[in-house]
Amino acid sequence: AQSVTQPDIHITVSEGASLELRCNYSYGATPYLFWYVQSPGQGLQLLLKYFSGDTLVQGIKGFEAEFKRSQSSFNLRKPSVHWSDAAEYFCAVALSGGYNKLIFGAGTRLAVHP
Amino acid sequence: DAGVTQSPTHLIKTRGQQVTLRCSPKSGHDTVSWYQQALGQGPQFIFQYYEEEERQRGNFPDRFSGHQFPNYSSELNVNALLLGDSALYLCASSPTHLRDAFYGYTFGSGTRLTVV
Repeated sequence: AQSVTQPDIHITVSEGASLELRCNYSYGATPYLFWYVQSPGQGLQLLLKYFSGDTLVQGIKGFEAEFKRSQSSFNLRKPSVHWSDAAEYFCAVALSGGYNKLIFGAGTRLAVHP
Repeated sequence: DAGVTQSPTHLIKTRGQQVTLRCSPKSGHDTVSWYQQALGQGPQFIFQYYEEEERQRGNFPDRFSGHQFPNYSSELNVNALLLGDSALYLCASSPTHLRDAFYGYTFGSGTRLTVV
């Protein structure tokens, strides 16, 4: 069965520090890959997505992610974190083609210290 | 351009009752998917509607049912509510006429359901 693992439940970083959130997936083929952010009490906002091509993907708010097929990973990075980045981050996968159903990881809650 | 609209935003129900949640998709979108997000967890796929038919279903009991109307809006119904049904229910809409519907996948802000 397809699954998504986000190993870190909580991460705390200082403002201005770099950030990497980990995501590993279990899938027979290369799926479509996504990162979403959710602020408290809000819906999900898409940060970036990978379908094919260049394995380094740029997103909104200064985020980027790198797809590594050999490691079945799609880690999210940001070189310098801002206090407003504090939120919950979800990695998600979906099968290419077919019906557009997303499978989410359990999420990583990011706290930012001033 | 309005995005995905969900109503109500918050709801409190008693065990055993029935509830209906509503979703209006983004303009131009004709597919609606519903997700359940329990506290501290990622969203889980409930089902998806397209052309007024349930096209795909996740691992949820028959107490969860839905409907899509000709204007593409959708309802999620939950019967015989359990305490464990307390969650944030998210609706997502997407177009199907694009090569890949994920380019336009858009989430609403959700309905927070509390069962007491």
